[in-house]
Amino acid sequence: DAGVTQSPTHLIKTRGQHVTLRCSPISGHKSVSWYQQVLGQGPQFIFQYYEKEERGRGNFPDRFSARQFPNYSSELNVNALLLGDSALYLCASSLDRGSSYEQYFGPGTRLTVT
Amino acid sequence: AQSVTQLGSHVSVSEGTPVLLRCNYSSSYSPSLFWYVQHPNKGLQLLLKYTSAATLVKGINGFEAEFKKSETSFHLTKPSAHMSDAAEYFCVVPGVGTYKYIFGTGTRLKVLA
Repeated sequence: DAGVTQSPTHLIKTRGQHVTLRCSPISGHKSVSWYQQVLGQGPQFIFQYYEKEERGRGNFPDRFSARQFPNYSSELNVNALLLGDSALYLCASSLDRGSSYEQYFGPGTRLTVT
Repeated sequence: AQSVTQLGSHVSVSEGTPVLLRCNYSSSYSPSLFWYVQHPNKGLQLLLKYTSAATLVKGINGFEAEFKKSETSFHLTKPSAHMSDAAEYFCVVPGVGTYKYIFGTGTRLKVLA
């Protein structure tokens, strides 16, 4: 079975631009979470979506938004990019929305903002 | 609030010697706890998880961890390090009443030949 997939793998953007990152969960998984991992740190929770609705949000500005589609895939959007948004963005899927459900992580999208 | 603290951002061991990566948690109750591994340019992989069953948890690749409530610890161990164990290791606790994972700051394991 395919794992969590993310696209693109790498991305270079300029300050002020907008970016869209995509994630496809494991088949049968209804929950998708997004994390930001800045170099040298542990991942930080951004969003969780379950059944197309936002179920949790981390301490990130409104420039960050996401959505989940009927097929449970998800997009993370970041507007007005800042240099500090440079990070590895990880998507994780799980069967259900509870935090005790194991989350399966994708390989991530490496975003570089110049 | 839930939190985890990983002691030692970098650990070096020689191949064939034991591995010990430290994690202490803060929680008002007995939480679930996880260890994840991240190899360079790869996603996070679950090594093992504690969910209030047996306190000694065995994971993949010969790793194990022991939940000690009295010490609020969940240290990761392996009897004999292999070169392929070189990676970043994260201790994780699920947030209470939320759906997020709370990650420690990570420990980078280096295995010397």
